[in-house]
Amino acid sequence: NSKVIQTPRYLVKGQGQKAKMRCIPEKGHPVVFWYQQNKNNEFKFLINFQNQEVLQQIDMTEKRFSAECPSNSPCSLEIQSSEAGDSALYLCASSLTVSGNTLYFGEGSRLIVV
Amino acid sequence: GDSVTQTEGLVTLTKGLPVMLNCTYQTTYSPFLFWYVQHLNEAPKLLLKSSTDNKRTEHQGFYATLHKSSSSFHLQKSSVQLSDSALYFCALTVNYAQGLTFGLGTRVSVFP
Repeated sequence: NSKVIQTPRYLVKGQGQKAKMRCIPEKGHPVVFWYQQNKNNEFKFLINFQNQEVLQQIDMTEKRFSAECPSNSPCSLEIQSSEAGDSALYLCASSLTVSGNTLYFGEGSRLIVV
Repeated sequence: GDSVTQTEGLVTLTKGLPVMLNCTYQTTYSPFLFWYVQHLNEAPKLLLKSSTDNKRTEHQGFYATLHKSSSSFHLQKSSVQLSDSALYFCALTVNYAQGLTFGLGTRVSVFP
């Protein structure tokens, strides 16, 4: 069973609504990644953190998403205004280090935008 | 930029037969290569991580060898089981900030 916990497993939102997902990384892992997996199973990197600091994010994330990894609280990823194209599986992964290390994934939050 | 190519989208085979899933990559750096397996409605799980060049790594009956000369990390198993039916992703990491670059995945369906 995955030790990276993501909630909720499913969420359904109307276009224009906010959609928020949470992730508790594996204990002791300071690095957290968010990926979007689309219906064709393609992975898109969204953002990553080391402790509470953003390491890197793509342009879309910067413009339309709000993400944070506060200390002693779950990490979160929030779409400010959902679009149909945001329907996907959002995967959180954690790692011991940033470079060259194994990522451990949660089971994902599946977003459906209607 | 970096890329991973998996040539088979779908592989169907009968239980007990061998399987090989192709994975080639492009990067100007020295990468780590991974195979992840994703069963239906489950998290992607690490299956294998590459070792040094030309060294085979094995786990749960699966094995792969990183060949830098051909930029390949093909996944093999000598005898598939029904439970091996899943999506298999090859991935590499060189750009530490973005974690993994994934291939498009190969769906394996094993029939009795």
